[in-house]
Amino acid sequence: DAGITQSPRHKVTETGTPVTLRCHQTENHRYMYWYRQDPGHGLRLIHYSYGVKDTDKGEVSDGYSVSRSKTEDFLLTLESATSSQTSVYFCAITSSQRQEQYFGPGTRLTVT
Amino acid sequence: DAKTTQPTSMDCAEGRAANLPCNHSTISGNEYVYWYRQIHSQGPQYIIHGLKNNETNEMASLIITEDRKSSTLILPHATLRDTAVYYCIVRVGGGANDYKLSFGAGTTVTVRA
Repeated sequence: DAGITQSPRHKVTETGTPVTLRCHQTENHRYMYWYRQDPGHGLRLIHYSYGVKDTDKGEVSDGYSVSRSKTEDFLLTLESATSSQTSVYFCAITSSQRQEQYFGPGTRLTVT
Repeated sequence: DAKTTQPTSMDCAEGRAANLPCNHSTISGNEYVYWYRQIHSQGPQYIIHGLKNNETNEMASLIITEDRKSSTLILPHATLRDTAVYYCIVRVGGGANDYKLSFGAGTTVTVRA
């Protein structure tokens, strides 16, 4: 599992509230990613990071921000959650030696 | 990254080989073919990748045609636990400064007893 954990694993929140999802890795990988997965859309990249304090937008970044203050943690924040952000969120890391991407177990977020 | 085309779904019998095709006719010379799968409710799992030579690991074999416009993932002895959505992805590898993946709809593989 490449030492990736996500927290929380499940969350229900109300529209308009801020939400932060955490991805934690134990293997010191440089690259980390946040994806969301919705029925009929597959996985879509939200944001990614290529080092501490180095982040960039993916294809569906509107309404999301990220931070990476240390190598092992990559945080995804919904500043004001909306119902359209109800989804399953996956964190991933890339093993640059082997070019393989490993995914966390996912966080199921419901915005009511 | 080049676009890929996969069948929407396929069935295979337990114990038999499963051959999953993927077309990537616009692939560039420096693009690799990657395969991932996603078992229900879990995060995607890396299976195998290759550039132009055939590859084999403990999970599967990857056969890439000589013109590199298509490939086949082979699960040699499918089990019920191989039931999943399989994604064929083409991306630039080897020294790129990021490793973003673009997932399509994939092929839903159902292994039947």
